[in-house]
Amino acid sequence: DTEVTQTPKHLVMGMTNKKSLKCEQHMGHRAMYWYKQKAKKPPELMFVYSYEKLSINESVPSRFSPECPNSSLLNLHLHALQPEDSALYLCASSQDFGALNTGELFFGEGSRLTVL
Amino acid sequence: EDKVVQSPLSLVVHEGDTVTLNCSYEVTNFRSLLWYKQEKKAPTFLFMLTSSGIEKKSGRLSSILDKKELFSILNITATQTGDSAVYLCAVEENNTDKLIFGTGTRLQVFP
Repeated sequence: DTEVTQTPKHLVMGMTNKKSLKCEQHMGHRAMYWYKQKAKKPPELMFVYSYEKLSINESVPSRFSPECPNSSLLNLHLHALQPEDSALYLCASSQDFGALNTGELFFGEGSRLTVL
Repeated sequence: EDKVVQSPLSLVVHEGDTVTLNCSYEVTNFRSLLWYKQEKKAPTFLFMLTSSGIEKKSGRLSSILDKKELFSILNITATQTGDSAVYLCAVEENNTDKLIFGTGTRLQVFP
């Protein structure tokens, strides 16, 4: 199994809603990532978890709250989002993080979020 | 500020053509350069380059890194319509462990 699975594939939410994006991998990877990708732009790093601990938070607004319940799962909790947060949210994983890693990220297919 | 610049931004070719995609970078502490192909969904890994002058090949795709001139090229020979995608170059920075992505090159291959 070399897949990173993301759910839901599509999500439409209002600015007062609370929702979550989920990501799962069973490759034994110890690093997991959330990226945000706007149309025709490259992915932008949001968060990195390494060994279930938050390693990087790229100054992401607190309305995005990541959670890593175990080494296979990564969630992104969403609350009070703005329309400009509409984007494709990509989860990725890698064997390790930083200098120990081969560098290859395995990406999920993304969750396309629309905030009304 | 670290940056990765790809050119051209977009490219339209016919099947059978050969294309060369460029990636130049200014990164404080370089660790590796990676190429990804992104169709409608997730980026898929193509190559990781760490050493200058060593060509990596996979079928019709090949890539090489020049660490002196700070660039990499991705070549695709005998292009097919299935090669149509956005090709992303990313550089891994050694101090921050982050991937810095370029803006991508959008390749369209017509029959």
